[in-house]
Amino acid sequence: DQQVKQNSPSLSVQEGRISILNCDYTNSMFDYFLWYKKYPAEGPTFLISISSIKDKNEDGRFTVFLNKSAKHLSLHIVPSQPGDSAVYFCAASARSNDYKLSFGAGTTVTVRA
Amino acid sequence: GAGVSQSPRYKVAKRGQDVALRCDPISGHVSLFWYQQALGQGPEFLTYFQNEAQLDKSGLPSDRFFAERPEGSVSTLKIQRTQQEDSAVYLCASSKIINLGTDTQYFGPGTRLTVL
Repeated sequence: DQQVKQNSPSLSVQEGRISILNCDYTNSMFDYFLWYKKYPAEGPTFLISISSIKDKNEDGRFTVFLNKSAKHLSLHIVPSQPGDSAVYFCAASARSNDYKLSFGAGTTVTVRA
Repeated sequence: GAGVSQSPRYKVAKRGQDVALRCDPISGHVSLFWYQQALGQGPEFLTYFQNEAQLDKSGLPSDRFFAERPEGSVSTLKIQRTQQEDSAVYLCASSKIINLGTDTQYFGPGTRLTVL
């Protein structure tokens, strides 16, 4: 049963514009959320995270927003750059067994020049 | 510094064959994880080690899957009598500390297993 869902398998955006990636979760015990970025033939690399005590976390061009009541989070990339073209995975964990990450299926972002 | 490395990067096995996948975590990392990523899906948790102790193997899909980390460093994931549904990318990750909380998991490049 998929507890973390990324309903958009792909996203195409023009260089310099905003990329918005969405993620929904069903498990109300999740209290920590992460975004990972993956290039072909490489493992996922950590991008940004947010704890459930916050509703926003910003790191340079990347901002993650959390809406706990809607069980929804989003990743904003502003401005998008060609190097941002990758697969982005949303992941979540619960304090009860916080090592166990549940991942979404990923969204492939293509940044057009 | 060196990241997580995995070998082989690609493995083709005939159905019924046994395979062994190796993971070298970042030096000094206490925690080690194995994930299975099927085509078009996100990684799914298989098992977790803290040093040499396997603390959680709840994600292993069957008793054909076995993982070990005898000296608390290198880990091996073994799959016996491989089946076609075992075809996937197997990812290893490590993290620094015991009390994981928000500690970052660093992933290796994965081993792509194809079972014919």
